[in-house]
This record gives sequence, C-alpha cells and structure tokens, in this order.
Amino acid sequence: DSGVTQTPKHLITATGQRVTLRCSPRSGDLSVYWYQQSLDQGLQFLIQYYNGEERAKGNILERFSAQQFPDLHSELNLSSLELGDSALYFCASTLGLAEETQYFGPGTRLLVL
Amino acid sequence: AQTVTQSQPEMSVQEAETVTLSCTYDTSENNYYLFWYKQPPSRQMILVIRQEAYKQQNATENRFSVNFQKAAKSFSLKISDSQLGDTAMYFCAFRSGAGSYQLTFGKGTKLSVIP
Repeated sequence: DSGVTQTPKHLITATGQRVTLRCSPRSGDLSVYWYQQSLDQGLQFLIQYYNGEERAKGNILERFSAQQFPDLHSELNLSSLELGDSALYFCASTLGLAEETQYFGPGTRLLVL
Repeated sequence: AQTVTQSQPEMSVQEAETVTLSCTYDTSENNYYLFWYKQPPSRQMILVIRQEAYKQQNATENRFSVNFQKAAKSFSLKISDSQLGDTAMYFCAFRSGAGSYQLTFGKGTKLSVIP
C-alpha cells in the first residue's frame, strides 16, 4: 500500500458526460501528479500540482482540468467525454517538489460507452 | 524531449532463472533519475528500483539489480531467482534532475514467469 488513495476505483459513463476523479496523497506529501494509461498512448503525464499551485502540464486535453485543494487532495475533471478517454488514471505523490520517487495510487478505471 | 524505449514487448522466464529487461533513453541532460516500475495484474504501479545518474554504482534491491551505462544511455533490469509473483508489466521511466519532474515512461515489457 503506497498510502495514496484514489476514488472511485471504477467509473462507467457515456459519451458527452463529465466525471471527477479524486486523489488523496500520502500524509504530508505536497505534490500530486496525474497520469493517464491507455492502450494506444501508454502512460502519459497529464499535470502536476504542488501545494495548491499548478506546476507543470503535459499532454492534457483542454476538456480536462485539475485542482489541488487546501487539504492537499486533488481532483481531475474530465468533460465532454469521448470513447478515447477510456483509460486508467493514476495519481502519484511526493513529499516535496524535487523529490525523486513518486508513489502511485491504485488508479481509477474509466470506461466511456 | 526525453524518450524512453523498451524494445522487448514480451518476455518469459522459468521460475528460479534470471532475466534481463532492456531500456534505452535519450536525453541531453547530465543529471537525471531512472526508475523501474512493476505493474502486476492488479494494475498497481509499484516502484522496483531507482538509479541516480550521478552515481556510478549500479543500484540493487534484493533480487533486482540494474546495469546503468550512462554513455550508452542504457538502463537494464536484471531479476535473479525469478518468482511467480514477478509476473507483471515492467516500465522503465526517466525523470529530469531539474525543471520538469514528471516521469516519462517506456511502453513496457510484459514478463511472464513460468513454473
């Protein structure tokens, strides 16, 4: 158990809908990363937050957004969902900004029908 | 941008034998970190081992060790005394030493340990 929690574990929804994925980092960790794992794109970095502020953006679609709250949990919002958004979404956390090792949560499996 | 290449999509090994998974990467940086993550059927991403580029000594963690060749930009993972529980996808990942801290992953190698 990495100490990172993600909810829900599974999510099934329809095209055009909007969903919110939640991540609670390890106790004391300030930095949260979001990754998407899909069959065609592999594991891709989406976005990073540190202590409530956005720090880095990767291949994140404009339909996707994220935020980190004062209690340090983070949410990834996916809107206008398409079939191709079906994937496993991971969050990972680190204590500080430059800490090397990222600890991953169990992931949220999203299926868009 | 950095790239990570894992040229072996699938591998198999007999239980108790040794197997080596390959990884190459491309970067112009001198300071960086390399990782191997394991993803079993449960889909959890589990850190196996990490290597700092500034360290010449190869990292080891119990039955897992790496062969880090900085000049060749090669970072292979050796698993000794393979166990059934080692069956998983293995991902090689790169992290810059400065600036951008996200992980760049290879496509993965699916390892099957055969009893």
